[in-house]
Amino acid sequence: ETGVTQTPRHLVMGMTNKKSLKCEQHLGHNAMYWYKQSAKKPLELMFVYSLEERVENNSVPSRFSPECPNSSHLFLHLHTLQPEDSALYLCASSQALVWSGDTQYFGPGTRLTVL
Amino acid sequence: ILNVEQSPQSLHVQEGDSTNFTCSFPSSNFYALHWYRWETAKSPEALFVMTLNGDEKKKGRISATLNTKEGYSYLYIKGSQPEDSATYLCAHDQMNNNAGNMLTFGGGTRLMVKP
Repeated sequence: ETGVTQTPRHLVMGMTNKKSLKCEQHLGHNAMYWYKQSAKKPLELMFVYSLEERVENNSVPSRFSPECPNSSHLFLHLHTLQPEDSALYLCASSQALVWSGDTQYFGPGTRLTVL
Repeated sequence: ILNVEQSPQSLHVQEGDSTNFTCSFPSSNFYALHWYRWETAKSPEALFVMTLNGDEKKKGRISATLNTKEGYSYLYIKGSQPEDSATYLCAHDQMNNNAGNMLTFGGGTRLMVKP
């Protein structure tokens, strides 16, 4: 295992529901990330948190709301999603401080289906 | 090249064959190039992080080279085994000034090794 866990592994929700995805890393890292992989598309970076501060938001719709309460936990709160938001959501963490090139460690992902 | 591109998209080989894939990336603003191996229903697993032009890295039967001036990296697998079947991802790393890695992924090469 990579040391990054995600729950739930599978989630089915209606368009009016509110749900949250959870990510936890046990590696002592200080940066955490949310990625989305839609069918037949590359992994796409959604959010970056470094030292619990959001440093990047790649023009993600406001129906996705991230939260990083501490360096080990990352949440993605979902509300009023659309069917096209159905995808695999991956969390990752890294020990990124000053230079790039640090390896990101990924969780197994949450498979989300929006009905 | 504006995006990260990988070729081929998929590859079927026989056990024992050697194979290689290509990753093309923007040669400007280069910080690092990452290779990942992603088996179905598992977490992407880091293979290599490459930062210097001319870098060559090796891990068992898998090796990779990097040319930052022309913007490409090759991944080689010698004597493919069925357990090598996976999707191989490359990612271009552009450091964010506020720390954290900004990875742009290619679409991946899906390798299937037949016994």
